[in-house]
Amino acid sequence: NAGVMQNPRHLVRRRGQEARLRCSPMKGHSHVYWYRQLPEEGLKFMVYLQKENIIDESGMPKERFSAEFPKEGPSILRIQQVVRGDSAAYFCASSPGSYYNEQFFGPGTRLTVL
Amino acid sequence: RKEVEQDPGPFNVPEGATVAFNCTYSNSASQSFFWYRQDCRKEPKLLMSVYSSGNEDGRFTAQLNRASQYISLLIRDSKLSDSATYLCVVSVGGGSEKLVFGKGTKLTVNP
Repeated sequence: NAGVMQNPRHLVRRRGQEARLRCSPMKGHSHVYWYRQLPEEGLKFMVYLQKENIIDESGMPKERFSAEFPKEGPSILRIQQVVRGDSAAYFCASSPGSYYNEQFFGPGTRLTVL
Repeated sequence: RKEVEQDPGPFNVPEGATVAFNCTYSNSASQSFFWYRQDCRKEPKLLMSVYSSGNEDGRFTAQLNRASQYISLLIRDSKLSDSATYLCVVSVGGGSEKLVFGKGTKLTVNP
């Protein structure tokens, strides 16, 4: 059973470009979460999605960031007009939605903004 | 006050030592509790869930005290491979299952 898959693993963008990060949850998992880890910081929640629905986006910056989890295909975290402060590791996690909410993480995408 | 606070560390211990990590959380409505470990520049990996009755998995024992809002992790007979950052994690639940992470405590086990 493949784990959570993320791609690309590394992404370099220049200021003002767009970044698209993809996440495929574990087989059988319908809940997807995105977290961001800034250098030397802890992980911070960004958004929680189920198929075609955003459940909680309380951690998402108000501008430039969006996320989706379509009926078919991976979840996408999109960052428009990237700035240097967006440089971080972005981790996706998935869970089956069971009561104990154990979340399993993908390898992350390391975004570097030049 | 931070939502999840951990010992700042770092901890440096010899192989075979017993080491304990402590964590407190501020939201009394928290429902789920976990310990994750994170190796340098890698993803967090679930070490164990933490239950009110306490639970043990091999050399690892986790305890939860809801009244004190306190969580602990004990590692016995530490191995070199235990070197990592240990993350205390809490979930409030109630419709949003987001995880709230402590900043982590770095452990180095020395030969």
